[in-house]
Amino acid sequence: EIVLTQSPGTLSLSPGERATLSCRASQSISSSYLAWYQQKPGQAPRLLIYGASSRATGIPDRFSGSGSGTDFTLTISRLEPEDFAVYYCQQYGSLQTFGQGTKVEIK
Amino acid sequence: EVQLVESGGGLVQPGGSLKLSCAASGFTFSGSAMHWVRQASGKGLEWVGRIRSKVNSYATAYAASVKGRFTISRDDSKNTAYLQMNSLKTEDTAVYYCTRRDGMDVWGQGTTVTVSS
Repeated sequence: EIVLTQSPGTLSLSPGERATLSCRASQSISSSYLAWYQQKPGQAPRLLIYGASSRATGIPDRFSGSGSGTDFTLTISRLEPEDFAVYYCQQYGSLQTFGQGTKVEIK
Repeated sequence: EVQLVESGGGLVQPGGSLKLSCAASGFTFSGSAMHWVRQASGKGLEWVGRIRSKVNSYATAYAASVKGRFTISRDDSKNTAYLQMNSLKTEDTAVYYCTRRDGMDVWGQGTTVTVSS
């Protein structure tokens, strides 16, 4: 099983700042089958990024994904008030696993 | 509108069984892999399992934590996926979501399963 480790656990930032979230895999993820999701309290997760760097439909361009192999990054260029949430990475190259999540909170 | 609607959650005793349904609309259900993901209160997301489409032989796969107890099936004529849960444990208590495709682009609202005596 591929284990995904996200860091940091919590990110305290102000609106307008840049957020950089990390996701590290225990082994290489084939074909960059890595996705990122946003989840707000009481809501289902929402797909942001798939294939490591492709934005899902309707996702603003302030969200970007990068990386390959075992190291992946989600960047939010300028935080909007609605971006404060929990973010999960997920690999789907070998069955499926999720990271433990990074909470982006208002500083 | 592309939509997934889960149902069938509730309270069940340890050792009991429950069957969840996921009704799909707005897209070609028969061509899509379907997954179940769960989330215990205050915890992260846990993949439960998936079923592929007919062209992929309806292949199923499960997380180690539920293998042998849970079964995923589908009825393409009803645009519905199912999660049969047997030998339930207290640690199976969670909100259960169904989702579409490996890169999970559509999610239902979730249904709550509580395993308690």
